[in-house]
Amino acid sequence: DTEVTQTPKHLVMGMTNKKSLKCEQHMGHRAMYWYKQKAKKPPELMFVYSYEKLSINESVPSRFSPECPNSSLLNLHLHALQPEDSALYLCASSPRTTGDTQYFGPGTRLTVL
Amino acid sequence: GQQLNQSPQSMFIQEGEDVSMNCTSSSIFNTWLWYKQDPGEGPVLLIALYKAGELTSNGRLTAQFGITRKDSFLNISASIPSDVGIYFCAGRETSGSRLTFGEGTQLTVNP
Repeated sequence: DTEVTQTPKHLVMGMTNKKSLKCEQHMGHRAMYWYKQKAKKPPELMFVYSYEKLSINESVPSRFSPECPNSSLLNLHLHALQPEDSALYLCASSPRTTGDTQYFGPGTRLTVL
Repeated sequence: GQQLNQSPQSMFIQEGEDVSMNCTSSSIFNTWLWYKQDPGEGPVLLIALYKAGELTSNGRLTAQFGITRKDSFLNISASIPSDVGIYFCAGRETSGSRLTFGEGTQLTVNP
């Protein structure tokens, strides 16, 4: 089973709202990732967690705040977002912390009004 | 940063035709991955390659890890309408822990 789940599937929020995206995997994978994807473009890496610790932050604005409560869960907390943050947010996991063989979830389509 | 050149950008083919797409890099890669993405969904891993020269099949799909470790190709044989989507290559450099993605190939299959 190579399933990564994400909730919610769709999210609409105002610029003053606070919301969270959730990601879960039960494959025992050691690394988890957040990506942002604009239409017809490749995913852009935002954050990497290795063994539940933040190992890479790709200079993401502080209005995006990741959290890894345990080895199976990954959250992305959103606050004071801008309309240009509207995108598909993808979570991925990989068995090893080397970053290869990443399995993606279905994504959360975020719209910021 | 490292970029992958993926070609072609788009393809319009008839059902039953074979398809070929490729990715090249200026750096040596340890891993090549091929993903397919449907609109509004996450990328689905099709094939993973870990060794130079490796040739791997998954049903009608075949991918190869180039012998120079700087390129990979994906072939789809006897295309069907459900092959429609965007295909991304991705690779990991020898010293890196990130994936680098190509810009994608948009495939359209006419019935």
